[in-house]
Amino acid sequence: NAGVTQTPKFQVLKTGQSMTLQCAQDMNHEYMSWYRQDPGMGLRLIHYSVGAGITDQGEVPNGYNVSRSTTEDFPLRLLSAAPSQTSVYFCASTTGQEQETQYFGPGTRLLVL
Amino acid sequence: AQKITQTQPGMFVQEKEAVTLDCTYDTSDPSYGLFWYKQPSSGEMIFLIYQGSYDQQNATEGRYSLNFQKARKSANLVISASQLGDSAMYFCAMSLDFGNEKLTFGTGTRLTIIP
Repeated sequence: NAGVTQTPKFQVLKTGQSMTLQCAQDMNHEYMSWYRQDPGMGLRLIHYSVGAGITDQGEVPNGYNVSRSTTEDFPLRLLSAAPSQTSVYFCASTTGQEQETQYFGPGTRLLVL
Repeated sequence: AQKITQTQPGMFVQEKEAVTLDCTYDTSDPSYGLFWYKQPSSGEMIFLIYQGSYDQQNATEGRYSLNFQKARKSANLVISASQLGDSAMYFCAMSLDFGNEKLTFGTGTRLTIIP
């Protein structure tokens, strides 16, 4: 199993551009989540999904959209990139069972100029 | 709203010594789960240990143990016999949901092991 994969690993955008961060998992996990990590602030939840067709907002959803058309994929869309969205983005998945950890992807480093 | 506090931004520990990383949490929910993750300089998030709020005993995983004091709302990570490879950022996190799909993280502690 590849686990949780994220593409790209690194991306530079100009202010106002849009892009999609890809996330896929091959563990048949129902639950998937997106976090951003900023220096000194730990990880913060952007959006999450408890199954195909079901998504909800986390702590910092503004400027991001998600969709979950399949169990495997959970892309994160930046509609109009802003410098404040410069961050490291982590996708994670879990079975949804009690005591089960989230499994994190390797992260995408995004720089918005 | 729930909150995780890690008050130690950085720690330096001699190799082979034990180290305790502090974590306090705030929630009024009686059911919750507490996690610790390690993030080495390469950036990946590595799960270390889990403690449920109803667990009677402190969790242990190899050299990692969790000192869970429910009344004080603390969940400190103890690493025994530290190794150079333990140098990393360590994050405490909490889940209020059965599925653990929404984690609230602390700001982390950077641990440096000195040879």
